[in-house]
Amino acid sequence: SQTIHQWPATLVQPVGSPLSLECTVEGTSNPNLYWYRQAAGRGLQLLFYSVGIGQISSEVPQNLSASRPQDRQFILSSKKLLLSDSGFYLCAWSYGGEQPQHFGDGTRLSIL
Amino acid sequence: GNSVTQMEGPVTLSEEAFLTINCTYTATGYPSLFWYVQYPGEGLQLLLKATKADDKGSNKGFEATYRKETTSFHLEKGSVQVSDSAVYFCALYNNNDMRFGAGTRLTVKP
Repeated sequence: SQTIHQWPATLVQPVGSPLSLECTVEGTSNPNLYWYRQAAGRGLQLLFYSVGIGQISSEVPQNLSASRPQDRQFILSSKKLLLSDSGFYLCAWSYGGEQPQHFGDGTRLSIL
Repeated sequence: GNSVTQMEGPVTLSEEAFLTINCTYTATGYPSLFWYVQYPGEGLQLLLKATKADDKGSNKGFEATYRKETTSFHLEKGSVQVSDSAVYFCALYNNNDMRFGAGTRLTVKP
């Protein structure tokens, strides 16, 4: 069966510090991968998606970036965090664009 | 463009009450429609889906019917339980675009 892992589960970082969140998927090959942010009391905002190694599409301009160094690994990064980067970050995978997405348990990021 | 609008919460119900969470969409063509559920501190889980008009998705006592004439996909459950307390998201996929609604928080009281 397929599983998706995100870590860390919780992270507290100072403003201006770097960020690296990791997501890995097991039990499938060549999945579509997604990063979402869920701000407090708000819906999901798609940040990045990837249909293959090294292929990243960005949905919104921001100080975040994403990379896919391996088929089942998706990394969300920032060189300098802003207060507005606080939120709940979710990684997801799917077999294809129209297929249901399967979400990780999320990372709660607090910026101080 | 594609968009999803769902009823604002929070929704508070007593156990065994009837639940409806409204969801309407805007899209060209024939999108696939989904309901996801998010329990506290967790990621989203697919609850049900429908891929064409008049399809009914169902799972765990929840149902939603794809109504193209009213562009709606309302979520219903006949008798809610305390364990159904969560945030519910309506979503659509159309033309390589995935959109989620803002979410509706449901609290069920014993």
